[in-house]
Amino acid sequence: DVKVTQSSRYLVKRTGEKVFLECVQDMDHENMFWYRQDPGLGLRLIYFSYDVKMKEKGDIPEGYSVSREKKERFSLILESASTNQTSMYLCASSLKWGSGNTIYFGEGSWLTVV
Amino acid sequence: GQQLNQSPQSMFIQEGEDVSMNCTSSSIFNTWLWYKQDPGEGPVLLIALYKAGELTSNGRLTAQFGITRKDSFLNISASIPSDVGIYFCAATSGSRLTFGEGTQLTVNP
Repeated sequence: DVKVTQSSRYLVKRTGEKVFLECVQDMDHENMFWYRQDPGLGLRLIYFSYDVKMKEKGDIPEGYSVSREKKERFSLILESASTNQTSMYLCASSLKWGSGNTIYFGEGSWLTVV
Repeated sequence: GQQLNQSPQSMFIQEGEDVSMNCTSSSIFNTWLWYKQDPGEGPVLLIALYKAGELTSNGRLTAQFGITRKDSFLNISASIPSDVGIYFCAATSGSRLTFGEGTQLTVNP
């Protein structure tokens, strides 16, 4: 079974803090994604990566950055956390692009910024 | 941009009833996925569909990839209380995944 693991399930951070959300997948997937999920807004793509050291902006990249130094690890960084970044963050991974692209999600990280 | 229209938004049913939900789009996709999300958890993949017309079952769940490649449905037979949750459709034609808004399912014992 594919396993996508998010290191922190629940975090509380102060406004202005730098926040790291870590994600690891164990299936040698090429693609990794970070989404945030908010009531009434559904799942929104923040950033994705299709290879080590490669990254692409999603639909809402402002206020976020990412790092992919190793194939299995994709980190989401909030340089200076703000209260409007309080949300559930979901990491996901998939094997490849194109037909047959199945995406698997982690358990989610609940971030509260106070 | 691409959008998926998922319906119904919510369903309240009795245990043992069958459930049907669907997603439609004006865009063509080559993969349809169905997920279930429990409160506070990440979405879990239920069924993946890769070919137009494909009908796939996973236990009491059955999903189909529409012939036009613009829609998909998910059926749950003989619902049980643990079926409660939010069900999402998702579709892709390459790299990006587009999501439906979700169907909130409540099952009364």
